[in-house]
Amino acid sequence: EDKVVQSPLSLVVHEGDTVTLNCSYEVTNFRSLLWYKQEKKAPTFLFMLTSSGIEKKSGRLSSILDKKELFSILNITATQTGDSAVYLCAVDAHNNDMRFGAGTRLTVKP
Amino acid sequence: NAGVTQTPKFQVLKTGQSMTLQCAQDMNHEYMSWYRQDPGMGLRLIHYSVGAGITDQGEVPNGYNVSRSTTEDFPLRLLSAAPSQTSVYFCASSYWDPAYNEQFFGPGTRLTVL
Repeated sequence: EDKVVQSPLSLVVHEGDTVTLNCSYEVTNFRSLLWYKQEKKAPTFLFMLTSSGIEKKSGRLSSILDKKELFSILNITATQTGDSAVYLCAVDAHNNDMRFGAGTRLTVKP
Repeated sequence: NAGVTQTPKFQVLKTGQSMTLQCAQDMNHEYMSWYRQDPGMGLRLIHYSVGAGITDQGEVPNGYNVSRSTTEDFPLRLLSAAPSQTSVYFCASSYWDPAYNEQFFGPGTRLTVL
């Protein structure tokens, strides 16, 4: 059965800290892994990863995929209170059949 | 562009009632999908469609029907609502091309079944 597991489930840090969020997966036909940020409403897209070892960056956020060990990490450096959100990892298991993890709830305290 | 729109934003039903959640997108995306989000469980795929006239089941399809008569619209029908269907429902769309399958989500519908 396809599954996506995120860890930790929740995390509390202070502004300026660096955090690493984890996503491991087991799917039969991997096509891509995506990261989303969800604040109060709909998830918004952060990154899509298809190849191992190639880091994607956007400002203070970066992500990398390891297709051999079946995991991805999302790093956030110099965290700000605006980074507080639920971060979702999703794997395109087959024909856009997306499997989501339960998410990591990040709280950044001033 | 309006992106992905959903109606209604909130709905309360009684057990056994039926209703349709509406979803529309104006980005000419081939792929559309419906998810439900329950506390601590992330998003779970209900049904999806890769184009007009084509639909398929996702992870949790029971109790829901969909149809795709046009590229733009993808309604989700609850046939006989049950309290277990209390959830937040998101519609999403994307291009079919796996190199561009970033999904755009609608604002969600919060459904309560009493």
